[in-house]
Amino acid sequence: TVLTQSPATLSLSPGERATLSCRASQSVSSNSLAWYQQKPGQAPRLLIYGASSRATGIPDRFSGSGSGTDFTLTISRLEPEDFAVYYCHHYSSSLWTFGQGTKVEIK
Amino acid sequence: QVQLVQSGAEVKKPGASVKVSCKASGYTFTGYYMHWVRQAPGQGLEWMGWINPDSGATKYAHGFQGRVTMTRDTSISTVYMELSSLRSDDTAVYYCAKVAGYCSESRCFFDYWGQGTLVTVSS
Repeated sequence: TVLTQSPATLSLSPGERATLSCRASQSVSSNSLAWYQQKPGQAPRLLIYGASSRATGIPDRFSGSGSGTDFTLTISRLEPEDFAVYYCHHYSSSLWTFGQGTKVEIK
Repeated sequence: QVQLVQSGAEVKKPGASVKVSCKASGYTFTGYYMHWVRQAPGQGLEWMGWINPDSGATKYAHGFQGRVTMTRDTSISTVYMELSSLRSDDTAVYYCAKVAGYCSESRCFFDYWGQGTLVTVSS
């Protein structure tokens, strides 16, 4: 399963809403889709699993949705610390794949 | 608290091997699979494979089969990833990542990551 994220770069201002897309090459279970945030020089951090469940300690401005082949990560109001790269991730018993990432940068 | 602490940066010549360690603490080491993921400079995340710390069973991604070996030492709660026949395009940060639970329960996503180990392959 190939995951394609769009856009590659999203230029927004603090306080704006960010909508990130992840499209799978074939239908995947919504139970098997996660999102991670990665800042420069740091390891990825789990944000969302099961397409829509927030990980422990993740603010409620982060939300995930979608099913089948189309999934979305939404950041309702961007905070300065949210500017980073975001990866979607499909996990299963046989294969783990990542999208190529979306960079959310300050406009 | 869960911690995954990896070994330090390495510089290797082409054709050599590298072995990276990942020491786990704060949870039952044998209860959760450990995966390895790498990231080339400025690039995305690439899954390499997993090891079951309890049984020692492994599964490797197709692109690494024959070159990667994952092992563990349960006495010190540490997993290892050895990559052989290194090439310049193996230059990357290598991460260990712990799963949250069983794939049968749709919980085999990565809830904790090591800090990463930079492996540089250069002549």
